[in-house]
Amino acid sequence: GDSVTQMEGPVTLSEEAFLTINCTYTATGYPSLFWYVQYPGEGLQLLLKATKADDKGSNKGFEATYRKETTSFHLEKGSVQVSDSAVYFCALSPWAGRRALTFGSGTRLQVQP
Amino acid sequence: NAGVTQTPKFQVLKTGQSMTLQCAQDMNHNSMYWYRQDPGMGLRLIYYSASEGTTDKGEVPNGYNVSRLNKREFSLRLESAAPSQTSVYFCASSAGDRGTEAFFGQGTRLTVV
Repeated sequence: GDSVTQMEGPVTLSEEAFLTINCTYTATGYPSLFWYVQYPGEGLQLLLKATKADDKGSNKGFEATYRKETTSFHLEKGSVQVSDSAVYFCALSPWAGRRALTFGSGTRLQVQP
Repeated sequence: NAGVTQTPKFQVLKTGQSMTLQCAQDMNHNSMYWYRQDPGMGLRLIYYSASEGTTDKGEVPNGYNVSRLNKREFSLRLESAAPSQTSVYFCASSAGDRGTEAFFGQGTRLTVV
């Protein structure tokens, strides 16, 4: 079945550091890929998405590129802020059939001033 | 625009008690979902409803039942709560088309003692 693997956390960075959170997936066909963010005590919010190979999703300075050849969708940001501290989830929606999202285990990011 | 609304936000149950988690969305979405979130395991799908009148089991359906009452509402019922059902529960909805994202409620933190 479909699965998503993302790097273990927590990731601790200083403000203005470069961020990479790795995400790889296993799925048939061409799934849609998503990054969600969860702030403490809240639900999940969509951060960005990509629906076909080589698409780049971007939002709030975050970017991720859909790489079919490496089945990856790594999240990057050039300069993190304290306000980016949250849990980040990589997820996929299948190419066909049931459209429910399959999630990775989440990566907690802590940004220190 | 309220989006996805879940009630209650917090609940403590004794083992063997029953309860229903309520969820409503105002985005005219076809698909609705129930997930549970446990530490280190991401979100796992409990049940899914592709449209009004249909429901399907997800990854972890045992001990739960659902009702898609109408297009707006999708409830989750625990008939006889167990400590293993201590978790944070999220309801979500989406248009259900390929590439469309899911919108999440704020979550229900359930503790079974």
